[in-house]
Amino acid sequence: QVQLQESGPGLVKPSETLSLTCTVSGGSISSNYWSWIRRPPGKGLEWIGYIHYSGRTNYNPSLKSRVSISLDTSKNQFSLRLSSVTAADTAVYYCGRGFGTTPSSWGQGTLVTVSS
Amino acid sequence: DVVMTQSPLSLPVTLGQPASISCRSSQSLVYSDGNTFLSWFQQRPGQSPRRLIYQVSKRESGVPDRFSGSGSGTDFTLKISRVEAEDVGLYYCMQATHWPGTFGQGTKVEIK
Repeated sequence: QVQLQESGPGLVKPSETLSLTCTVSGGSISSNYWSWIRRPPGKGLEWIGYIHYSGRTNYNPSLKSRVSISLDTSKNQFSLRLSSVTAADTAVYYCGRGFGTTPSSWGQGTLVTVSS
Repeated sequence: DVVMTQSPLSLPVTLGQPASISCRSSQSLVYSDGNTFLSWFQQRPGQSPRRLIYQVSKRESGVPDRFSGSGSGTDFTLKISRVEAEDVGLYYCMQATHWPGTFGQGTKVEIK
């Protein structure tokens, strides 16, 4: 059973870059699709984007200019970088895996707060 | 973006009784290959979401058969034939036919 665990700073200052890592255990990152999803407090779920194991990415147009998702096959991890953050980027961030693009298995989520 | 509208947003149910959640999309979810990429997720309290149903009606491995999905085009339904205590939580529909994939607002299922 594949397990995913998000990690990274819980507090990021406005205008800085949010960086999160998802560590995958029980399976290889060299297959499938790997996603980031978030839920701001009091709001709905938002799919940030995904990366295919080949390296092909697809980002939500609302975030495309600020987001980057990458793979590190040597560590069996994938990462999210979101630049120029504001308070609107405060959210619980989830990583997920999908056999197709839709993430069918998710991590527990990690809260990231953007505040000075 | 495709808007996914769920109803009801709150669903009090009696143990052993059926429950039904509706999900409507602002556009048809039929993809060019004929598939419909509509999924249902369950999020129990304190847990991360897990997918129950994909492509409208296909159950994920390990999902009890009391959960079923149906629908087509823009109208979809998740049914629980007999609600059990472990079914309490939030339920989301989600479409991945059109990028970006989008989620419904969530339906909170609770026991009366």
